[in-house]
Amino acid sequence: GENVEQHPSTLSVQEGDSAVIKCTYSDSASNYFPWYKQELGKRPQLIIDIRSNVGEKKDQRIAVTLNKTAKHFSLHITETQPEDSAVYFCAASIRGTYKYIFGTGTRLKVLA
Amino acid sequence: DTAVSQTPKYLVTQMGNDKSIKCEQNLGHDTMYWYKQDSKKFLKIMFSYNNKELIINETVPNRFSPKSPDKAHLNLHINSLELGDSAVYFCASSSRLAGTYEQYFGPGTRLTVT
Repeated sequence: GENVEQHPSTLSVQEGDSAVIKCTYSDSASNYFPWYKQELGKRPQLIIDIRSNVGEKKDQRIAVTLNKTAKHFSLHITETQPEDSAVYFCAASIRGTYKYIFGTGTRLKVLA
Repeated sequence: DTAVSQTPKYLVTQMGNDKSIKCEQNLGHDTMYWYKQDSKKFLKIMFSYNNKELIINETVPNRFSPKSPDKAHLNLHINSLELGDSAVYFCASSSRLAGTYEQYFGPGTRLTVT
């Protein structure tokens, strides 16, 4: 069945360092890959996304890469700041269904 | 002028009761969703409606019944509440007509069943 694996489940980095979160999806029909940030007690908020016809996308300190052959996509955060601390979710949307399969989340802690 | 809103924000109730959660979006989207986030933070889709038509119905107990009176509203009614129903329920919306996939989430409803 459809599945998205996300690693690591927790990640601690020093302020200013980079953080990388990786996801693997199972359905080759997936064509849209969003990343959500969820702060404690808040709603998930879209921070960046990528479509299957693009290999990389960058928005300031955040970038996402996609390897369709390997069915991998990753979130890269550079120059991390304490306010980047949150739970990050990857997701894959199945073509034509508008249904997201979410990863299990990564709790990122940025240590000041 | 919150884009996706839910009521109530918190809901504490006893086992066996029936309760409803309401969701409204003012983004002009045509598709709405209900997600359940459990204590381990797993986000799992439950239902989705497109223009009042049910398009996604995951394996959810039939004690859960969604209703969409119009494309701006999606409600969730839960009968005979059980302890395992305790979770945060998120509503979300997107625009299928626009051909975009972005989903916007509401603030969540924290349901506690005692």
